[in-house]
Amino acid sequence: SYELTQPPSVSVSPGQTASITCSGDKLGNKYASWYQQKPGQSPVVVIYQDTKRPSGIPERFSGSNSGNTATLTISGTQAMDEADYYCQAWDNSTAVFGGGTRLTVL
Amino acid sequence: EVQLVESGGDLVQPGGSLRLSCAASGFTFSSYWMHWVRQGPGKGLVWVSRINTDGSSTRYAGSVKGRFTISRDNAKNTLYLQMNSLRAEDTAVYYCVRSGLDAFDVWGQGTMVTVSS
Repeated sequence: SYELTQPPSVSVSPGQTASITCSGDKLGNKYASWYQQKPGQSPVVVIYQDTKRPSGIPERFSGSNSGNTATLTISGTQAMDEADYYCQAWDNSTAVFGGGTRLTVL
Repeated sequence: EVQLVESGGDLVQPGGSLRLSCAASGFTFSSYWMHWVRQGPGKGLVWVSRINTDGSSTRYAGSVKGRFTISRDNAKNTLYLQMNSLRAEDTAVYYCVRSGLDAFDVWGQGTMVTVSS
């Protein structure tokens, strides 16, 4: 079965750039999405179709996807961005999630 | 307002059954594929099942195949998940999720299922 791999944790200082990776076999040939989940809340999509931001998502969130790796980049990271982030892709019309990355802003 | 509201979560004994419901509002329910995604305590997101717009096509994660059944009633704008032969490892928050533009774009608040004796 298809697998997506994320680092368990990433730390960033306020105002700096955070990058979270998601690796999977030929992931660049699939669309990747990214979800933000804060404690006690439901996930929210922050990036879809590799690079697109839903309305209401700040411009500091961006995405890329090439080869075997998709990347979520948060520029000018703010304290409010501290959360768990999950990548997701489709494989044979079933969804696959990465294991999640806890982003700590310190 | 686009909204998904789950219900039906409960404490159930191993081997028992439960049916989850998800009431949709604020959008044309019959036009969207729908999914169930679960999250165990302190764990990550796991896709469980999906159903197409008219209910004629369904898919399941291997861990629930043969035990869970997804269905929908477009006249009632409601999604269901029938869960049988429940196991301790099925303990999780179950989210009802809409998919659109290759992503899960609307999530419910979740309903908790606990399988324990």
